[in-house]
This record gives sequence, structure tokens and C-alpha cells, in this order.
Amino acid sequence: AQSVTQLGSHVSVSEGALVLLRCNYSSSVPPYLFWYVQYPNQGLQLLLKYTTGATLVKGINGFEAEFKKSETSFHLTKPSAHMSDAAEYFCAVTLTGGYQKVTFGIGTKLQVIP
Amino acid sequence: DVKVTQSSRYLVKRTGEKVFLECVQDMDHENMFWYRQDPGLGLRLIYFSYDVKMKEKGDIPEGYSVSREKKERFSLILESASTNQTSMYLCASSSPPLGENGYTFGSGTRLTVV
Repeated sequence: AQSVTQLGSHVSVSEGALVLLRCNYSSSVPPYLFWYVQYPNQGLQLLLKYTTGATLVKGINGFEAEFKKSETSFHLTKPSAHMSDAAEYFCAVTLTGGYQKVTFGIGTKLQVIP
Repeated sequence: DVKVTQSSRYLVKRTGEKVFLECVQDMDHENMFWYRQDPGLGLRLIYFSYDVKMKEKGDIPEGYSVSREKKERFSLILESASTNQTSMYLCASSSPPLGENGYTFGSGTRLTVV
């Protein structure tokens, strides 16, 4: 079984400041990890994903995430927040070699303050 | 541009009505999924399908059923709508391996049951 915990349902940052959204996972086998972004009144869009190989993953819109197996974490970062980054972000996990189901975290709403 | 299309963005239905939510994808994906999204609960899997005429229960199937008669179409059915089914419903599709491709989501249907 797998699970995801997102720390902080709401995060506020100033425009230009570092964005850090936290995600920890639990998995019995090596996981695949994802971050999705949801803008208001829209569906979810894949931001980035970790499968195998390089543990630092770069995604769209300047975001990146680092897979840390020892910490069971996959935190999302962006060096400088932009107003357009205001959205809800979901961390997700699925198991390698298994069914195609994905388990999502509860989401973190990012507010960017001008 | 690849797409998952949900037939309605907003729906208002009365308690006890039978409700159909339609989802169509044009990517020839084998796998399709229905989630509901509620504040503080994230996304919860209702049903999924790996192939035509196949369906599997997700985490919260009670009160729902699904139909997949064609590969591109996956319908969610609320047999007798209740107010606790007021929610945002998200359809997604994927092609294996999921770890490489992730999900493609539709824009969502916001259902209100009165």
C-alpha cells in the first residue's frame, strides 16, 4: 500500500521568495512520485515526475523536486515565486510494477503575495 | 493537443435523480479513472477501468457505478443522487507505464445535488 502526506494545506510566500511545498510518502516498494498543479476551476496538470535515475527532477514553470529515499520525501521547490504560481499543488504516488492507481495527497494551496 | 473532455463543467441535479457524467479521451489510452475532489480530502478514487467493459472499484465506490463500452469513453453514474455527492468530479486517463506518463486530467465537473 502507499500513502502521501502533504504538510501544510495553505502556504503563503511573497513574490520573488522561495517556494517550498512538502511531501512525504509511504510505500512498500520503490515508488513513482508526481507533483500536479491545479489552477482555479480547472483539472490537474502534471508538473513533474520521478521514476528512476536522477533524484533531482525538473518540471515545468521552473519547479523542481528532489527524491530523498532516506527521508521518504519529495518536496517541491521554486527559487522565485511568481504571481502566476498561485494554485493548488498535489503530491501523488504510485507503486512500480503494479496497478495503475495513483494515491494523492490532500493538496497545498499556494498564495503568492505581491 | 491530447485531451480528456468532460461533457459538463457545472451540473445541478435534484436528490434521487439518476446522473450521468461523461468523459471522452482522444489519446487511445487503455486506463481511465474517476476521482472526486473535496476540500481537505484531496482526490479520492471512485472507479477505474483498464480496458473496454472492465471496471474496478476504487476507494469510495458506494453510490456510484461506471460504464465503459468504448475505449475512449468512461461514464460515471450516480444511481440516485444524494446531497453528500455534491463535489468536483475529475476524469483522468493514462497509458502504461504510468510512471513514465502520469495522468491526463479533464477540466472537471462540479456537481451540486439539491
